[in-house]
Amino acid sequence: AQRVTQPEKLLSVFKGAPVELKCNYSYSGSPELFWYVQYSRQRLQLLLRHISRESIKGFTADLNKGETSFHLKKPFAQEEDSAMYYCALSGTSYGKLTFGQGTILTVHP
Amino acid sequence: GAVVSQHPSRVICKSGTSVKIECRSLDFQATTMFWYRQFPKQSLMLMATSNEGSKATYEQGVEKDKFLINHASLTLSTLTVTSAHPEDSSFYICSAQDPGHRTYEQYFGPGTRLTVT
Repeated sequence: AQRVTQPEKLLSVFKGAPVELKCNYSYSGSPELFWYVQYSRQRLQLLLRHISRESIKGFTADLNKGETSFHLKKPFAQEEDSAMYYCALSGTSYGKLTFGQGTILTVHP
Repeated sequence: GAVVSQHPSRVICKSGTSVKIECRSLDFQATTMFWYRQFPKQSLMLMATSNEGSKATYEQGVEKDKFLINHASLTLSTLTVTSAHPEDSSFYICSAQDPGHRTYEQYFGPGTRLTVT
């Protein structure tokens, strides 16, 4: 079975502060990990995926297989980063996603 | 980029009636679409996987006779909530998978707010 855990339902930081959204997963094989973001009144959209090893909007995430984690980080949070963030795992060839519970990030001015 | 639409964006229906929600991939052909249910400020719960030309695969605990899924073409999947009850009120989201994308990325629709009175 595959499982994704986001331990923080709410996370608040001030503008300019570093932010880290935690994600842990459980999967016996080699998973593909994603971070999706949902801004207020907008659809869910892909933020980044681990295989791309890219930085999007200043966010990065490193897959740590030893700790089975895929934490999302940004060194300097911005107010426009306020949103719901979902960590997701795909463990099958056809890409069925298992989502974590989501973390609501609020960046205060 | 790939765009997925849903119709209607919100619907109100009376208890006992059926409601159909459409999910369309606008600029790509999607052999696989997914239907999710989302409760306020909570995670997305996968309901079923819809494959073009074959029966949908339902997740455990999802009633297939209540949530009918049809994927008749490569750009359209429909979810019909039959004999709707107030507890079916929720936000339903579909996603479509672009088979041309190596990582099977899913593109999400804007969602449909269903309210059953």
